[in-house]
Amino acid sequence: DIQMTQSPSTLSASVGDRVTITCRASQSISRWLAWYQQKPGKAPKLLIYKASSLESGVPSRFSGSGSGTEFTLTISSLQPDDFATYYCQQYNSYSWTFGQGTNVEIK
Amino acid sequence: QVQLVQSGAEVKKPGASVKVSCKASGNTFTRHFMHWVRQAPGQGLEWMAIINPSGDRANYAQKFQGRVTMTRDTSTSTVHMELNSLRSEDTAVYYCASHYYDSTGYPIPFQHWGQGTLVTVSS
Repeated sequence: DIQMTQSPSTLSASVGDRVTITCRASQSISRWLAWYQQKPGKAPKLLIYKASSLESGVPSRFSGSGSGTEFTLTISSLQPDDFATYYCQQYNSYSWTFGQGTNVEIK
Repeated sequence: QVQLVQSGAEVKKPGASVKVSCKASGNTFTRHFMHWVRQAPGQGLEWMAIINPSGDRANYAQKFQGRVTMTRDTSTSTVHMELNSLRSEDTAVYYCASHYYDSTGYPIPFQHWGQGTLVTVSS
C-alpha cells in the first residue's frame, strides 16, 4: 500500500495567519490526492480533489498544489471555523490511504 | 446527490464478528464505488475496503486482508462490511463513503459519507 506522511502533526496558528500543510507519498500518485477537514464527532468533509480542484461550496481561501509525491494544502487567511483536523488521501490505486492528520489549533 | 445512512451502534465481545450496513438513496448510486473507513477514538482515518458498482469486485487494505468482507446488494442499494475475530483495537467509528467518475472520466473522491457507526469491542 502507498504510505502518506503529513507534516506537521499539530500546528498552532492565529486567525488571519497563512497556514500550509504538507503531504508526501511513498511513490508517485500523479495528482490523485484529496484533502479533507474533520471536526470532532463529524464525518470528514471534502475540500480539495485532484490535488488542486476546489470542491463546490468550499471557501476560496483553501487551495492545494503539487504532483507526484509532494503536495500542500494552504489556507490563505485562517478563520475561526477552520480550526479542525486535516487529512490528505491518495486515490491513485485500488487501495486508498490517508495521511495521519494535522490538527490546526488556536495559538 | 447520494445520501448514506448507516446501521446503529454495536457492542461485541473479543473474537466475535460484526456486520455494519450502509443504505444509499439517490438515483446516481448505481455509478458509485463504495468504501469503508474507520477511526479509532482520538486517532486518524484508516481506509479499509472498496467495492465496485456491480458488487463483484472488492479490494481490502493489507492490514485487514482475511478478516474483512465487503458486499453490495444492488437490489436494496445497501453495502455491508463484516469484520471477524474482533479485538479491542477494532473499537472505532466505522464510516461508509463513496466515490464516482465524473463526465471526463476523473474520479471524484469522498463527497458523500455516512453518519458513522460506533463499534465497541469489550469483554
